[in-house]
Amino acid sequence: DVKVTQSSRYLVKRTGEKVFLECVQDMDHENMFWYRQDPGLGLRLIYFSYDVKMKEKGDIPEGYSVSREKKERFSLILESASTNQTSMYLCASSPLRETLNEKLFFGSGTQLSVL
Amino acid sequence: AQSVAQPEDQVNVAEGNPLTVKCTYSVSGNPYLFWYVQYPNRGLQFLLKYITGDNLVKGSYGFEAEFNKSQTSFHLKKPSALVSDSALYFCAVRDKVKAAGNKLTFGGGTRVLVKP
Repeated sequence: DVKVTQSSRYLVKRTGEKVFLECVQDMDHENMFWYRQDPGLGLRLIYFSYDVKMKEKGDIPEGYSVSREKKERFSLILESASTNQTSMYLCASSPLRETLNEKLFFGSGTQLSVL
Repeated sequence: AQSVAQPEDQVNVAEGNPLTVKCTYSVSGNPYLFWYVQYPNRGLQFLLKYITGDNLVKGSYGFEAEFNKSQTSFHLKKPSALVSDSALYFCAVRDKVKAAGNKLTFGGGTRVLVKP
């Protein structure tokens, strides 16, 4: 089975801190995604990447950046954390070559609290 | 722009009764449609998808969904709900026209509570 691992389940940070959220997948998937999940708003796409060193902005990229130096790892960076970035962050991956089978594989999520 | 609406924040149903979770969508072209489920303290899990062909799609755990193009809907159904079906359900859509990156747009989610 595909495994998408997010490094932390819970994280508490202070306003202004630089925050790194790490995600690793073990199935050689080309596509990787970062979503944030907020009650009533569902999942909103922050950034995605379809290859190493490639990145595309999603719907809400402001205040975030990403890094993909290796195929299996996709990092989300909060340059200067703010309280409105308190949220559940979900990483996902999918294989690019399966153009009709677009199932995403999700990690368990990181609940980030910014105080 | 593509969008998804899940009009109900919560659905309550008694165990053994039919379960329906509603979803409507908007895309410029033809849609790919998906349902995902999130159990407590877990990531999202894929349930089923509509790509093309038969409008009735069967998925995991006894769930099915019906694609209705004229009503732009993709409602999730289960004939007999179980307490273990209590979870958060998300509908998602992708426009077939824009292919880059497998970008999905999710609805706001519907919480399902199945009571014994």
